[in-house]
Amino acid sequence: EAQVTQNPRYLITVTGKKLTVTCSQNMNHEYMSWYRQDPGLGLRQIYYSMNVEVTDKGDVPEGYKVSRKEKRNFPLILESPSPNQTSLYFCASSLSVYQETQYFGPGTRLLVL
Amino acid sequence: TQLLEQSPQFLSIQEGENLTVYCNSSSVFSSLQWYRQEPGEGPVLLVTVVTGGEVKKLKRLTFQFGDARKDSSLHITAAQPGDTGLYLCAGASFTHRAGSYQLTFGKGTKLSVIP
Repeated sequence: EAQVTQNPRYLITVTGKKLTVTCSQNMNHEYMSWYRQDPGLGLRQIYYSMNVEVTDKGDVPEGYKVSRKEKRNFPLILESPSPNQTSLYFCASSLSVYQETQYFGPGTRLLVL
Repeated sequence: TQLLEQSPQFLSIQEGENLTVYCNSSSVFSSLQWYRQEPGEGPVLLVTVVTGGEVKKLKRLTFQFGDARKDSSLHITAAQPGDTGLYLCAGASFTHRAGSYQLTFGKGTKLSVIP
């Protein structure tokens, strides 16, 4: 089944403890991105990747890192999480930047205490 | 940062009524997408409109892209309880020279259709 998977789905952590949220797609998509969704603010893009080894900042990149070492995976790294990073995170992918239909993962709900 | 203003933010209507959701911006987009999101799930694409003035229909849903490609609307005819959900518009900005592509989302319209 074609899909975007994220792990973990739920995570409670404490301030400053490094964490990684994994994202994987099995559709051979070139374009991948990360979003966070907050009440009253909607979905905001954190980082995106046009292809392997090519990443760029979205609208709210502060406090996050990403890497794209292989096409299928695009992990989101929080080196030192803070409470303001408590949010619902979505990974998405599309065939290419020219094929704009994005497929979203199921989301990761993060709580930073 | 480009902004997309989506209205209304909340909408509660009776089954069988019609409704329109609006998405407006001062920026021009390469295309505009509409998504629907259920609780606990990621957004799912409903439609993409690309050409100014374009109208697309998906059963009881009609999507329109403004002539200047800055705004869009979603009209639902004879709403059903199954239409309940969060509707999101998203504007795509692709800069070929810079090699960048971004998707800017509106804040969403939470629709409740009461039986």
